[in-house]
Amino acid sequence: GENVEQHPSTLSVQEGDSAVIKCTYSDSASNYFPWYKQELGKRPQLIIDIRSNVGEKKDQRIAVTLNKTAKHFSLHITETQPEDSAVYFCAANNQAGTALIFGKGTTLSVSS
Amino acid sequence: NAGVMQNPRHLVRRRGQEARLRCSPMKGHSHVYWYRQLPEEGLKFMVYLQKENIIDESGMPKERFSAEFPKEGPSILRIQQVVRGDSAAYFCASSPEQGVESPLHFGNGTRLTVT
Repeated sequence: GENVEQHPSTLSVQEGDSAVIKCTYSDSASNYFPWYKQELGKRPQLIIDIRSNVGEKKDQRIAVTLNKTAKHFSLHITETQPEDSAVYFCAANNQAGTALIFGKGTTLSVSS
Repeated sequence: NAGVMQNPRHLVRRRGQEARLRCSPMKGHSHVYWYRQLPEEGLKFMVYLQKENIIDESGMPKERFSAEFPKEGPSILRIQQVVRGDSAAYFCASSPEQGVESPLHFGNGTRLTVT
């Protein structure tokens, strides 16, 4: 079945550094790749998404890149701040477009 | 505009009891998804419903679990004869259009504890 692998599982950076989280997916039919941020005890919130017809998308300090040939996509956060500390999940849609398949998450800790 | 509303936020059940989790989608949204999150795990898809229809239930356990989204009222995820392994956070999400490519809006989840 469809699978999304995410790494690293934990990431610690100093405030102001960059953070990169990488994901690979198995279903070549996937064409939608969102990223969610979940703070402790709260709901997952969409922070950025990318579709297969583009290779990169940027929104202020957050960017996502997609390599369809290699079936991987990455989240880049620049100039990290303590409030960026959270669990980040990548996801890919299934072939039918009825479900998002999530990675297991990356716990990002930004220390000041 | 209220977001996705889930209740209860916390639910404690003893083994063998039934759990009912409710989800009211955002106003104007007619597509509902249920996900389960175990500690230290990602979100696992369970079921996708539209009003009065189950579209994809490939992630639902074959026994004890059922879901509905009636014409009127919230979507319900029902777990019969709960076991300790059912303890998890259950999240509902909604979208205004068919398919997951329209952004999903998640509720705050129901944390089920089975004692």
